[in-house]
Amino acid sequence: QVQLVESGGGVVQPGGSLRLSCAASGFTFSSYGMHWVRQAPGKGLEWVAFIRYDGSNKYYADSVKGRFTISRDNSKNTLYLQMNSLRAEDTAVYYCAKDSYSGALTGWFDPWGQGTLVTVSS
Amino acid sequence: SYVLTQPPSVSVAPGQTARITCGGNNIGSKSVHWYQQKPGQAPVLVVYDDSDRPSGIPERFSGSNSGNTATLTISRVEAGDEADYYCQVWDSSSDHPRVVFGGGTKLTVL
Repeated sequence: QVQLVESGGGVVQPGGSLRLSCAASGFTFSSYGMHWVRQAPGKGLEWVAFIRYDGSNKYYADSVKGRFTISRDNSKNTLYLQMNSLRAEDTAVYYCAKDSYSGALTGWFDPWGQGTLVTVSS
Repeated sequence: SYVLTQPPSVSVAPGQTARITCGGNNIGSKSVHWYQQKPGQAPVLVVYDDSDRPSGIPERFSGSNSGNTATLTISRVEAGDEADYYCQVWDSSSDHPRVVFGGGTKLTVL
């Protein structure tokens, strides 16, 4: 079955960096766009970033542009999120999710990983 | 930027029908997707492309989209439907496409 497993979360000081990973299995990873979505404690869902199936296009939320970088390694079936200059407001559970399409900008998210918690605190 | 507006909460008795709205400027021209999230769990897709249901989602879940409002309808509500529900669209109106989520609606089963 299709499965996404995030890792790499933890506690980091403000201004620090962290890299999240999302291991994919059960589908042809190289054929689908992928997303990162986050959820701050007690808050709603916030989209973070999207990468097309081949990595040719990447889109970011304004709140993370210039600080976060989404990437993928199709040979390893793995999605990444490099997070730099972290702030307290980046504290959240980070989910990776599979897009329904390779790169069309109309799709839905299915499935989602179980999430990994990032806490930015001194 | 594009904004999706959902009511913070909806309450309904078991067996009744719950309707959760998602408002956006000319949202009827977009494809709307809906997610259910129970406490401590990842979101799950319940409706895609306005009104289609993924396999495994009960027929009690349905969707519609027209004008400035999309609606998720849950018929014959059960206690297990109590959850947060989010609508989602793509905003491709600029050179920087982005995904937009509604603020979420907490469904309470009385």
